[in-house]
Amino acid sequence: QQQVKQSPQSLIVQKGGISIINCAYENTAFDYFPWYQQFPGKGPALLIAIRPDVSEKKEGRFTISFNKSAKQFSLHIMDSQPGDSATYFCAATFSGSARQLTFGSGTQLTVLP
Amino acid sequence: ETGVTQSPTHLIKTRGQQVTLRCSSQSGHNTVSWYQQALGQGPQFIFQYYREEENGRGNFPPRFSGLQFPNYSSELNVNALELDDSALYLCASSRGELAGGRETQYFGPGTRLLVL
Repeated sequence: QQQVKQSPQSLIVQKGGISIINCAYENTAFDYFPWYQQFPGKGPALLIAIRPDVSEKKEGRFTISFNKSAKQFSLHIMDSQPGDSATYFCAATFSGSARQLTFGSGTQLTVLP
Repeated sequence: ETGVTQSPTHLIKTRGQQVTLRCSSQSGHNTVSWYQQALGQGPQFIFQYYREEENGRGNFPPRFSGLQFPNYSSELNVNALELDDSALYLCASSRGELAGGRETQYFGPGTRLLVL
């Protein structure tokens, strides 16, 4: 019930391409879905987040698409750049859980120049 | 860069020893959560402190304990270290629930612990 499943495990994209990372969840109590970006040796940095009452949220080149009925959400990175090469984690939380974040297993994104 | 700081950055211990990790929360944040991130995996929730009280705990044994101080900084203590405790330990701070922002957590750079 607490699990968040993330795919793919790794992704290689050409510069300028679109990177798409998908996540699925089971617990319908989740009410906040952030995405984090992590570079080697660093802590995760909040990238963008969405609540389930919205189907899409866009910030710059990053877009979250949310499908409440399918219990799925995805991150789209438009015009991917080599500097976007990092590990991306989806996460989910709900108010009855001390707001603990349940993370996906991560996607290692490599953007080729 | 968030305003969350952690110390030390790296630590090497031997099995059976005890370790204390420290975290200073971002200004204005009164809630601190700790996570363990094993190599190649997503972070796993250890526990959270709010107003100096434990406010939630993940699936970790009692040898993982913590403290929060009046200035909202926090410590993570791990007793009887095991080889599997080798990981990156992350601290995240957030505003209190009444401020409507606890769900947004900001992470520090982590402490890399190696248990030999």
